[in-house]
Amino acid sequence: ETGVTQSPTHLIKTRGQQVTLRCSSQSGHNTVSWYQQALGQGPQFIFQYYREEENGRGNFPPRFSGLQFPNYSSELNVNALELDDSALYLCASSWGQLHQSTDTQYFGPGTRLTVL
Amino acid sequence: DQQVKQNSPSLSVQEGRISILNCDYTNSMFDYFLWYKKYPAEGPTFLISISSIKDKNEDGRFTVFLNKSAKHLSLHIVPSQPGDSAVYFCAARGSNYKLTFGKGTLLTVNP
Repeated sequence: ETGVTQSPTHLIKTRGQQVTLRCSSQSGHNTVSWYQQALGQGPQFIFQYYREEENGRGNFPPRFSGLQFPNYSSELNVNALELDDSALYLCASSWGQLHQSTDTQYFGPGTRLTVL
Repeated sequence: DQQVKQNSPSLSVQEGRISILNCDYTNSMFDYFLWYKKYPAEGPTFLISISSIKDKNEDGRFTVFLNKSAKHLSLHIVPSQPGDSAVYFCAARGSNYKLTFGKGTLLTVNP
């Protein structure tokens, strides 16, 4: 059973650019959640995808968007990057929707994004 | 407005002693609380949870206590081991089922 993987590990972008982060869910999981963890903060919920549809969103602007593919891998896209977007981006996969699977979210190691 | 607060950024204890990590929350609608452990360069891993209808949940060396009237929960680790050294996050589930995390507490267990 493979765990949750994320790519790339590190990324440097400049303000105004666009970025795509990728997540491969744990085998058998059909739900993925994305979190932003700024330095010195806890993870903040961005959104969740269940069976390829957005299913819950935190307080993030529309320039944060996502996709979930039929194989349940996922992408997080951020447009018009701002300096404050610099953070560790975590994805977590689970079986079932957020309210069914709170305990059993498996997190990836994260992608460290730096915006200059 | 931080709804989940971990006021101690760090905690240091001796191996074999008890570690007590604290968490306070402000939203009375939270119905489920979780603790996660995070090692450097790894994602958080689920440790233990408690429903708002309970006041204690125990799993081996780990026990979580919930005081709803005080909006306070704590994680007890007994006995503490050097491998427990990590950042511990408290998280709470709200009415929209999303998780709200605290800022974390760095626990260091000294041999």
